[in-house]
Amino acid sequence: SAVISQKPSRDICQRGTSLTIQCQVDSQVTMMFWYRQQPGQSLTLIATANQGSEATYESGFVIDKFPISRPNLTFSTLTVSNMSPEDSSIYLCSVESDRGRYNEQFFGPGTRLTVL
Amino acid sequence: QKEVEQDPGPLSVPEGAIVSLNCTYSNSAFQYFMWYRQYSRKGPELLMYTYSSGNKEDGRFTAQVDKSSKYISLFIRDSQPSDSATYLCAIPWPGSARQLTFGSGTQLTVLP
Repeated sequence: SAVISQKPSRDICQRGTSLTIQCQVDSQVTMMFWYRQQPGQSLTLIATANQGSEATYESGFVIDKFPISRPNLTFSTLTVSNMSPEDSSIYLCSVESDRGRYNEQFFGPGTRLTVL
Repeated sequence: QKEVEQDPGPLSVPEGAIVSLNCTYSNSAFQYFMWYRQYSRKGPELLMYTYSSGNKEDGRFTAQVDKSSKYISLFIRDSQPSDSATYLCAIPWPGSARQLTFGSGTQLTVLP
């Protein structure tokens, strides 16, 4: 199984600022995913990030608000731009398992963001 | 209608109880079904993975799928305080670029 770390683990930010979240994997992976988990709600996929190509965003999420970088096969960043209190959430990155199980994903511990 | 609906909980049971967690789904094309467990302040981890109808057992955990009624369940026997977590059902989109659709999660507390 992949070991995934995220930085920061939590942050409190002011409205209108931006925060960049880092995701590091201990092995090379093709696809990385970014999710949002709002309080008391389920995980919602923000975007899929392939190395060397533009991220693919899900409906309701746009690149200007959530720019993603994927510079290599072990690292990705998600930026939450021009934040508002509605962006307060847990942000998680995940990668696909290499165990051949259909769509199994391993998740990082998450970044808990509070916007004041 | 959401693609995946999950009993919201929260659920609180005494140690040793049998726990039943449930989800329904709307898309009959779904073929694979997963249960993730998420401890507080941690990311979700895969607990059970099933394909097709019927039961699948793994220790104290049993995953059940009824495709005719589009209903999936996770049973926990002899529940332990260490089972206290949020349980999320997850279903991959058929033939897609690996997208998972999650239920809203059921928070379970097992009291010693």
